[in-house]
Parts: sequence; C-alpha cells; structure tokens
Amino acid sequence: DAMVIQNPRYQVTQFGKPVTLSCSQTLNHNVMYWYQQKSSQAPKLLFHYYDKDFNNEADTPDNFQSRRPNTSFCFLDIRSPGLGDAAMYLCATSRESADTQYFGPGTRLTVL
Amino acid sequence: QKEVEQNSGPLSVPEGAIASLNCTYSDRGSQSFFWYRQYSGKSPELIMFIYSNGDKEDGRFTAQLNKASQYVSLLIRDSQPSDSATYLCAVNLSNDYKLSFGAGTTVTVRA
Repeated sequence: DAMVIQNPRYQVTQFGKPVTLSCSQTLNHNVMYWYQQKSSQAPKLLFHYYDKDFNNEADTPDNFQSRRPNTSFCFLDIRSPGLGDAAMYLCATSRESADTQYFGPGTRLTVL
Repeated sequence: QKEVEQNSGPLSVPEGAIASLNCTYSDRGSQSFFWYRQYSGKSPELIMFIYSNGDKEDGRFTAQLNKASQYVSLLIRDSQPSDSATYLCAVNLSNDYKLSFGAGTTVTVRA
C-alpha cells in the first residue's frame, strides 16, 4: 500500500544533542511537509518542499533544518534541541500544493 | 481573529447520537476544506474533504459547507466509542499553498 513512513517513531535525545528525523513516501507526491505538534495544539508547519524547492515558514527557528535528497525522502534536522522542542513531528505529503495532505504516523521527540 | 476556529470541547455525546462539530474560517476566498481525526498520541487521519457548498456524505460522516457564512461542519451519525478523538478542521486559504488548522474539537462518545 502507498504510504508515508516516519522513523523512528520515538526518539529520545539530550539537551543540545543533534537529532535527525526521517520521512519517506511511496505515493510519488510532489510536496512534502514537516509539522510540529505540541499537546492540545494544532499542527504547526515548519517547512515544505515542492519537489526540490524548499520553503521555510517565517517563524521556524534556525535550529530546524530540512533536506530532501530525492522525491521519496525528507529529513528534519534539529541542530541543538531544547526542552521546548519536545513534541510530535509529523511528515505529510500531497500530490500538488493545496491538495489533500496525508500524514505519516509521526515521531514523538523527548528532550532530556 | 484566528484563520480557522473550532470549539475546543470536549463534546460529550451518548453512543448512537449525532455529534455535530463546527468550524469557521476568516478568509472568504478559501477553496478547500478538510476534516481530520486524530486519536490521542497518533497522527491526523483524513476523514473527508469538501470543495462545494452543500452536503457531502461518506458513511456515518457528513460534511457541510456554507461559503457565504464561512463555516464548515462535520456530523457524525450513530456515534460509536471508537469515534472518541480530536477532530481537526483544516482550510486551504486563498492564494496559499498550505493548510491552516483549527486547534481541534475533542469528542467523547460515552457508552
């Protein structure tokens, strides 16, 4: 089945220790998104890629970076995680911009 | 004013009843509207999308869109305990590539 996959599902890191989250998709969608979601809040868009074109949201901290080496994979790098970065990180894809978005299962990040 | 607003709930309904969730949006030019269901600790799962005014039915779910009044609603008929979740309304604002999400309405279906 076509799907969006995220690894790992749970990630524990130490304050300031870099971490990389990964997302892959078999939907062959053009657009990939990274969201941060904290408890009882709406998902907050961090970045999105249309193909290889990168789009950074204005309020995304510099601590967060992303890479999309090919159509299928996208990575979220958190250079120096702080306690406030503990959250669920969601990857989503859509065929085109503004189309229906399909979410992966998410990665729960804990910062100690 | 927030771009997308939902009542946070919790909305408690008895099993078998109709759950009615509402969502309002600020941008009159918005074109696409989505409802996602999110179980605690899980990722959002698409339930329905709607583009045109009126009703759209899928099983026990009905989405209703009224662009003139700038609201979209979701009805869940014959509510089941498995429907207990947070329901997120998402809107594609005009001239924008991204979805704006409401904060979600938490629904509890009591047996």
